[in-house]
Amino acid sequence: SQQGEEDPQALSIQEGENATMNCSYKTSINNLQWYRQNSGRGLVHLILIRSNEREKHSGRLRVTLDTSKKSSSLLITASRAADTASYFCATALNQAGTALIFGKGTTLSVSS
Amino acid sequence: DTGVSQDPRHKITKRGQNVTFRCDPISEHNRLYWYRQTLGQGPEFLTYFQNEAQLEKSRLLSDRFSAERPKGSFSTLEIQRTEQGDSAMYLCASSIIGGETQYFGPGTRLLVL
Repeated sequence: SQQGEEDPQALSIQEGENATMNCSYKTSINNLQWYRQNSGRGLVHLILIRSNEREKHSGRLRVTLDTSKKSSSLLITASRAADTASYFCATALNQAGTALIFGKGTTLSVSS
Repeated sequence: DTGVSQDPRHKITKRGQNVTFRCDPISEHNRLYWYRQTLGQGPEFLTYFQNEAQLEKSRLLSDRFSAERPKGSFSTLEIQRTEQGDSAMYLCASSIIGGETQYFGPGTRLLVL
């Protein structure tokens, strides 16, 4: 079963706007990761946030984690057409991080 | 390019046939993972290897599925007596031991007719 659930399922914005997607999960986690998948391709790791962290930045990406609410958000600022993709959150249930449990993803469409 | 590679990229087969997919991980990565992704869903964990040992298998990995990593380098995933429900993208990923990030290959898209 899916551990994480992303919201919204689909998001359409204009270039230059910010995109925010959320992820909720069910059990305690060691870390939470966000991946991007372009249509029909493999996944690309974007950013990882550990359970003892609340916020993390990487370029135009900002991730927050609220362990009390079991939720995370991914903000993409100043979006570009190339950001069009599906975005998945993934949690590792154990410290070894062997099995990643993915949500169903948010499909982002950025139009120019 | 030294990323994870998968072969073939696409496979069309008839129900009942056997298929085999190959994954070549990043060369220094000891761990190798297989995931399955159906349309509109996130990837689902199937199994993982640490070196040549298969250490964890999901309940999704039925008896018709078998994975090997004989020399601790490349891995194969075989599906016997394919069914239409096996149609999916099969993704391979690799990591170092203790590494939290998994690096994914481009996937093999399987269509069972």
